[in-house]
Amino acid sequence: DAGVIQSPRHEVTEMGQEVTLRCKPISGHNSLFWYRQTMMRGLELLIYFNNNVPIDDSGMPEDRFSAKMPNASFSTLKIQPSEPRDSAVYFCASSFWGVPAGETQYFGPGTRLLVL
Amino acid sequence: RKEVEQDPGPFNVPEGATVAFNCTYSNSASQSFFWYRQDCRKEPKLLMSVYSSGNEDGRFTAQLNRASQYISLLIRDSKLSDSATYLCVVNIRGYQKVTFGTGTKLQVIP
Repeated sequence: DAGVIQSPRHEVTEMGQEVTLRCKPISGHNSLFWYRQTMMRGLELLIYFNNNVPIDDSGMPEDRFSAKMPNASFSTLKIQPSEPRDSAVYFCASSFWGVPAGETQYFGPGTRLLVL
Repeated sequence: RKEVEQDPGPFNVPEGATVAFNCTYSNSASQSFFWYRQDCRKEPKLLMSVYSSGNEDGRFTAQLNRASQYISLLIRDSKLSDSATYLCVVNIRGYQKVTFGTGTKLQVIP
């Protein structure tokens, strides 16, 4: 059974460019999470969807970041315009019931983003 | 004060040693607790959940101390393959989010 799928695995772009990260959660999972990980700040939750609806986006750093989940099998995280400080590993994770149940989250392999 | 705090380490221990990590949390309404393991340049993966009564899985033992607001992870007979970063995760009752600690790095030395 396939796990969480993320693309691209690596992205190098120049400051000011638009970046789109993609995620396919595990089939049947109802919740999807986007995280950002840096050495300085660790793993930070950016946004959390339940049944395709954004529940908590308080971690989204600023208006340059946006996330969508048009259906149960696909989500995007977009950064426009990108800045060097956005360089990080971005993880997508999914779980069956979601946060209130305190369920296990399954992480994708991550997208390593470098903004020059 | 951070919601979840961990000693970043690194903890350098010889093979066969016993090592323990703690993770403190600030919100007494915290409800669910987990330990995740993250290998270098890989994604985090669930290691074990932490129950009120404590739980054990082979060489790994997790415990919860609600009075002092911390969880612990004990690894016995350390193996080289245990080298990784261990993240504690806390879910606060009534809040729809989980909080990850910044992780404790373990290096098991031959």
